[in-house]
Amino acid sequence: NAGVTQTPKFQVLKTGQSMTLQCAQDMNHNSMYWYRQDPGMGLRLIYYSASEGTTDKGEVPNGYNVSRLNKREFSLRLESAAPSQTSVYFCASRAPGVTEAFFGQGTRLTVV
Amino acid sequence: AQSVAQPEDQVNVAEGNPLTVKCTYSVSGNPYLFWYVQYPNRGLQFLLKYITGDNLVKGSYGFEAEFNKSQTSFHLKKPSALVSDSALYFCAVRDGMEYGNKLVFGAGTILRVKS
Repeated sequence: NAGVTQTPKFQVLKTGQSMTLQCAQDMNHNSMYWYRQDPGMGLRLIYYSASEGTTDKGEVPNGYNVSRLNKREFSLRLESAAPSQTSVYFCASRAPGVTEAFFGQGTRLTVV
Repeated sequence: AQSVAQPEDQVNVAEGNPLTVKCTYSVSGNPYLFWYVQYPNRGLQFLLKYITGDNLVKGSYGFEAEFNKSQTSFHLKKPSALVSDSALYFCAVRDGMEYGNKLVFGAGTILRVKS
């Protein structure tokens, strides 16, 4: 079972470049999430999507955009990368009801 | 808005001793509480959850957690720690009153178990 797949696993960007982090899940989950993980700050929610066609801002949405392309895919876009966006990014998905989230393996992004 | 606090950056315990990793939360409605574990260079793995009912919840790898509504706490426990339990542990909460399924995590607690 693939679960939650994130691509790429590693990326180095120059300041001002743009890129899209991809996330896909094969568990037919409705809810999907994007988090960033920084030392001492835990996981902070960037954006989430309760269902196909809906997205909502989390705690730290500035500098990011998302697209819930279909039920399987939830992408995160950095339009103009900044060094402050250097982080490890995790995508997660969750089935309806009070269920646990399943996480991808993460994308380690460095902005220089 | 919901929030989670993990007051300890790191917990050190000797192998075979009981361990506790602390978590307190704040929500408007009923809390749905979760514990996750992260091993180095890996994603998060689900350990256990509290929805309703018995305040003592049992989960994977011998872990359990105690829900205390009056203290708004959900501490993770294990009777006898293993070296292999060493990892980063996250507490998370969803607010039952809030639409949108937002899941908020604490800052994490590093658990070090020494042999």
